[in-house]
Amino acid sequence: RKEVEQDPGPFNVPEGATVAFNCTYSNSASQSFFWYRQDCRKEPKLLMSVYSSGNEDGRFTAQLNRASQYISLLIRDSKLSDSATYLCVVNQRVGGTSYGKLTFGQGTILTVHP
Amino acid sequence: NAGVTQTPKFRVLKTGQSMTLLCAQDMNHEYMYWYRQDPGMGLRLIHYSVGEGTTAKGEVPDGYNVSRLKKQNFLLGLESAAPSQTSVYFCASSYKAGQGANAYEQYFGPGTRLTVT
Repeated sequence: RKEVEQDPGPFNVPEGATVAFNCTYSNSASQSFFWYRQDCRKEPKLLMSVYSSGNEDGRFTAQLNRASQYISLLIRDSKLSDSATYLCVVNQRVGGTSYGKLTFGQGTILTVHP
Repeated sequence: NAGVTQTPKFRVLKTGQSMTLLCAQDMNHEYMYWYRQDPGMGLRLIHYSVGEGTTAKGEVPDGYNVSRLKKQNFLLGLESAAPSQTSVYFCASSYKAGQGANAYEQYFGPGTRLTVT
């Protein structure tokens, strides 16, 4: 089983649609959770951190379910500029310490069309 | 403030050749990382460094060596390139945990596209 698993998609949605991505992780000791965005042939960029109580940043809402080891990202009112690959990222605790060693999912491709 | 830069941007090597990829950051970050990204595999950590003069192995270190002689630079070396090392290589850096910033917010360079024939 992969440490971080995502539905690779692709998701094709019209502008204005609401779309949700899911992610599961295998290490129950994981501490921190993130969504990164990666545009075609570009580097990943942090979109948002994911907090236990859930958090929102504009049109983006992230949720974490530690019991089910599940993370989600909801995008409302999709824009053309939201087209990208969305990476689920988990920080794994190793040996009682962690130096920001992140484990990345393989990404979910989103295409927003007019 | 350039953030994280990588050189070169593109390179084609023949099997057995060697090369060094350079990563530089101007954000005074303690931690630096080298990843490779392959289709369907996601980003995988090759080596990382928690400070000047220190390095450690990541998930896929074989065939690579690294050095961190200066805080702002992190070098990735391929001693004898193999076709399996054809990939996109990303360098990243982050603050140290406890510095009042999120140590897991990694800032990535633009990547190096390497092809080994």
